[in-house]
Amino acid sequence: EAQVTQNPRYLITVTGKKLTVTCSQNMNHEYMSWYRQDPGLGLRQIYYSMNVEVTDKGDVPEGYKVSRKEKRNFPLILESPSPNQTSLYFCASSPSRGYNSPLHFGNGTRLTVT
Amino acid sequence: DQQVKQNSPSLSVQEGRISILNCDYTNSMFDYFLWYKKYPAEGPTFLISISSIKDKNEDGRFTVFLNKSAKHLSLHIVPSQPGDSAVYFCAASVTSGSARQLTFGSGTQLTVLP
Repeated sequence: EAQVTQNPRYLITVTGKKLTVTCSQNMNHEYMSWYRQDPGLGLRQIYYSMNVEVTDKGDVPEGYKVSRKEKRNFPLILESPSPNQTSLYFCASSPSRGYNSPLHFGNGTRLTVT
Repeated sequence: DQQVKQNSPSLSVQEGRISILNCDYTNSMFDYFLWYKKYPAEGPTFLISISSIKDKNEDGRFTVFLNKSAKHLSLHIVPSQPGDSAVYFCAASVTSGSARQLTFGSGTQLTVLP
């Protein structure tokens, strides 16, 4: 089954404790991206990757890191999480950045930073 | 400043009637628009899209209308079904450098009452 898989689904952590949210897609998609969803703000892009070893900042990159060492994986790293990073996170992928490439989303990771 | 706005956080409609979800945008450079649907505990899924060269696109019960002069698009669902109850996000796309940037609205919770 074609899918984007995020882990974990739920995560509670404390301020400053490094964490990684994994994302993997099995559709051989070139493009991958991370979003956060907050009430009243919709989905905001954190980072995206056009292909292996190619990453770039989205609208809200502060406090986050990503890597794209292989095509299928795009982990999101929070080196020193803070409470304002409490949010619902989505990983997404698409075959390319063209018009006819809607995003395929994972099921989300709800992160709470205390 | 949100470039894509969904001013109605929620909408309730009777089963069988029409649901109309609205979306306004401010950036006249947006040239492609999409609607995504999101159920609880799942990621958003692509629903329908429209290019800026068109003013209407239809797919079964779903029709998207684009009014470029008013910078407004709407999603019509006819007839509405209880299974359509979900959060609907509109998104707008523009080319920025080598990448296409996608901006989401804040979402509208649609409830279809049986």
